[in-house]
Amino acid sequence: SAVISQKPSRDICQRGTSLTIQCQVDSQVTMMFWYRQQPGQSLTLIATANQGSEATYESGFVIDKFPISRPNLTFSTLTVSNMSPEDSSIYLCSVGGGGNYGYTFGSGTRLTVV
Amino acid sequence: GQNIDQPTEMTATEGAIVQINCTYQTSGFNGLFWYQQHAGEAPTFLSYNVLDGLEEKGRFSSFLSRSKGYSYLLLKELQMKDSASYLCAVRDQAAGNKLTFGGGTRVLVKP
Repeated sequence: SAVISQKPSRDICQRGTSLTIQCQVDSQVTMMFWYRQQPGQSLTLIATANQGSEATYESGFVIDKFPISRPNLTFSTLTVSNMSPEDSSIYLCSVGGGGNYGYTFGSGTRLTVV
Repeated sequence: GQNIDQPTEMTATEGAIVQINCTYQTSGFNGLFWYQQHAGEAPTFLSYNVLDGLEEKGRFSSFLSRSKGYSYLLLKELQMKDSASYLCAVRDQAAGNKLTFGGGTRVLVKP
């Protein structure tokens, strides 16, 4: 399965600022996803990162707040913009989608907004 | 949309067996996954079912009934290290093969 390097692993940010999270995969993958996991809760899909086109966002998530880049098949970024304390969460990237291969997750970015 | 339901929490004794149920509703079912997540860590893949029946992997087994929209994860010979959250996730072909997760079941193994 693919190996994902996600960074930063954690950050503490001031409200009103933005943070960009990066995911680098060791092989070309068709599908990349970004999830949010709020404390004590399960994973919620933010968007599907599409290579060469705009990301596909889930209900409740918008591009202005969570812009995503996918310049090639091994790399993607998620930016959390104009942060507020409610954005404090763990953000995870994931790759996969085909057959019976489990979707692989990055190690996550623990974001605290103060 | 999809509804994926699983119990919030379960407690079991070391050496025992625990069964975690998951029910789902989806329009384009294309597989069900179980993940294990220890506190502060990323989820790790445990099992995958796309056809009806039981898939066994060592101490862990997963069962699927597509007609009932039902799956379970069976953990045998529980060990203390099995204390974790277990996430049921459904892949929807009608939605670009994205994974949607249930709320997760926190399993606590006691000595």
